[in-house]
Amino acid sequence: SYVLSQPPSVSVAPGKTARITCGGNNIGSESVHWYQQRPGQAPVLVIHSDSDRPSGIPERFSGSNSGNTATLIIGRVEAGDEADYYCQVWDSRSDQSVFGGGTKLTVL
Amino acid sequence: EVQLVQSGGGLVQPGGSLRLSCAVSGFSVSHNYMSWVRQAPGKGLEWLSVIYSAGTTYYADSVKGRFTISKDNSKNTIFLQMNSLRAEDTAVYYCGSLYCTSGSCYFDFWGQGTLVTVSS
Repeated sequence: SYVLSQPPSVSVAPGKTARITCGGNNIGSESVHWYQQRPGQAPVLVIHSDSDRPSGIPERFSGSNSGNTATLIIGRVEAGDEADYYCQVWDSRSDQSVFGGGTKLTVL
Repeated sequence: EVQLVQSGGGLVQPGGSLRLSCAVSGFSVSHNYMSWVRQAPGKGLEWLSVIYSAGTTYYADSVKGRFTISKDNSKNTIFLQMNSLRAEDTAVYYCGSLYCTSGSCYFDFWGQGTLVTVSS
């Protein structure tokens, strides 16, 4: 099955830009979606289809996807962005969803 | 307003069974794809199962043959029947609705999660 790899943790200072990567074989040919999960809460969709923001998600959140790496980019990071972030793709060949292992974003 | 309200979690002994429910408001499960995802304590998200609008189902290998996803369109509710439960099934279970476009699907709405603990 398809495997997605994320770094376990990323740290960033307030006001700076955070980049969280999601690696997969030729992931650039897949549509990648990103979720934010705060402790004790359900995940929330922050980016879908590589780079589209759902309504209500700040413009500071953006995404890119090319080659073997998709990236979630959070600009002007705030303390409230501290959370776990997961990438996800839908494997249409097996009708299954695949999640990355998750990345804990720490705001210094 | 879309809401997914879960119920049915709790403590169960190894080898036992449990049924989770996910009551949906704001859209019809008869026209949407619905799915279950779980998260073991301190771990990441694990996809479990999907049920398409026509009723076709798919499962992750970790639960195939033990878990069954179903739905009651008249009650606008989906279910996860879990049999032969093991300690490693201990997790928070989430239901979610899938939006699918151009061959890909993502979770646009989530339930609040329900804790299942498998222990003697």
